Parts: sequence; structure tokens; C-alpha cells
Amino acid sequence: AQKITQTQPGMFVQEKEAVTLDCTYDTSDPSYGLFWYKQPSSGEMIFLIYQGSYDQQNATEGRYSLNFQKARKSANLVISASQLGDSAMYFCAMRDPDNYGQNFVFGPGTRLSVLP
Amino acid sequence: ETGVTQTPRHLVMGMTNKKSLKCEQHLGHNAMYWYKQSAKKPLELMFVYNFKEQTENNSVPSRFSPECPNSSHLFLHLHTLQPEDSALYLCASSQVYGMGTDTQYFGPGTRLTVL
Repeated sequence: AQKITQTQPGMFVQEKEAVTLDCTYDTSDPSYGLFWYKQPSSGEMIFLIYQGSYDQQNATEGRYSLNFQKARKSANLVISASQLGDSAMYFCAMRDPDNYGQNFVFGPGTRLSVLP
Repeated sequence: ETGVTQTPRHLVMGMTNKKSLKCEQHLGHNAMYWYKQSAKKPLELMFVYNFKEQTENNSVPSRFSPECPNSSHLFLHLHTLQPEDSALYLCASSQVYGMGTDTQYFGPGTRLTVL
């Protein structure tokens, strides 16, 4: 069963606008961690933001924020004031609780294109 | 700062060749990982090393052979590969394997093409 779902294969956003990338996950474990990574065409996976299941507040890092809705098992990434350099693949990942949280499970990714 | 480096960035090899991929991390981390990223497939974890000891081998064929001589270096030795092994191979490192908040940092990857 797929543990991380990203339902948007591709997204378009106008420069300077905000965009939300969806991520839902599946686990029955109460303790887990959620991560977002950005992968430009160069290939490198760049860590963006982390959310722990017990964190009281939604994580924020500069223009990135995470809309964490625990009951709905969703951890959507919000990018504010989009820039052309934000065009990339975005992956949601979770520490796999079925393996004692030792391994990462990645979603299929969303390709974001920022339009000038 | 280039925390995790990988060489070569691109590699083309025949099925009978032997080659090695190299990964080096400059972050003082203790865990290192090899991932395979094929087109239209999620990232696949291949191997995990924690304090130089291999802790995970996710049913990877024996034509892929990892080596971790120390916590800063990780190699992936390749021999008699198949065309379906063509992919982007990503190396990552993290502070401590298995900790809840532990974040993995990735290198730029090696784009491998097997002819």
C-alpha cells in the first residue's frame, strides 16, 4: 500500500503567487516525521522543511510552510511569493513507521512550474 | 557549501564494464545511504550504512556492491549491469540513523546509462 500520496503530478503557478502542493500519508503509528524535498533539473534533492507528528505548530522555513492536518493525515507544502527558481519536482517523504522509523518513504512527486 | 558530493555526475557504461560511484559527505554525519531514482518511479532505498556498518540491503541485486570505508565515504561498485539499471543514483547522509527528527541530505546524483 502506498504510504505517501501526492495527487498532483504537475502544477502551474504565476510568479509571486502562492501555491499549495498536496501530500497525504498513511500510518497508524502516532510518532512519525514528515519531510519535503525539492529536486531541480540538476538532480540534487534539497531538504526544505520538517514536521514532527507531535509538533504543536505548523513548521515554517522562510517562504515555505507546512499545513499539517493530523486528523486528515495531510501535510501540504505552501510556497509563498513563488519565484522562477522554484520550478522543480517536489517530494513529500515520511519516516517509515513500519520499519521503526528508520527508513524514508517518498511520494511520487509533484512537478511545479512557475510562470513569468 | 557542498555538503554531499558525488562523482562522477554522469556515467555511460556497457553491460560488461565495471565501474564505481563515489560519495563523500562533509557534514560529520554517521549514516550514509544509496538511493535509485528511475523515471516515473518513487525513490528507492538501496543500502544504508550506520557508523560504517551496513544496516539495510533492500533486496538489491548482487551486481550492485556497496562499500563504506569510513563515515565520510561511500562507494557503489557496479558490474555486469542491465539496461534497466539506468537511473539517477543519489547518495544521502544523516546525523544518526533511525532518529525521528534525523534529516537526510542528498548529493547531486550520478546519472547512469547502461548500454
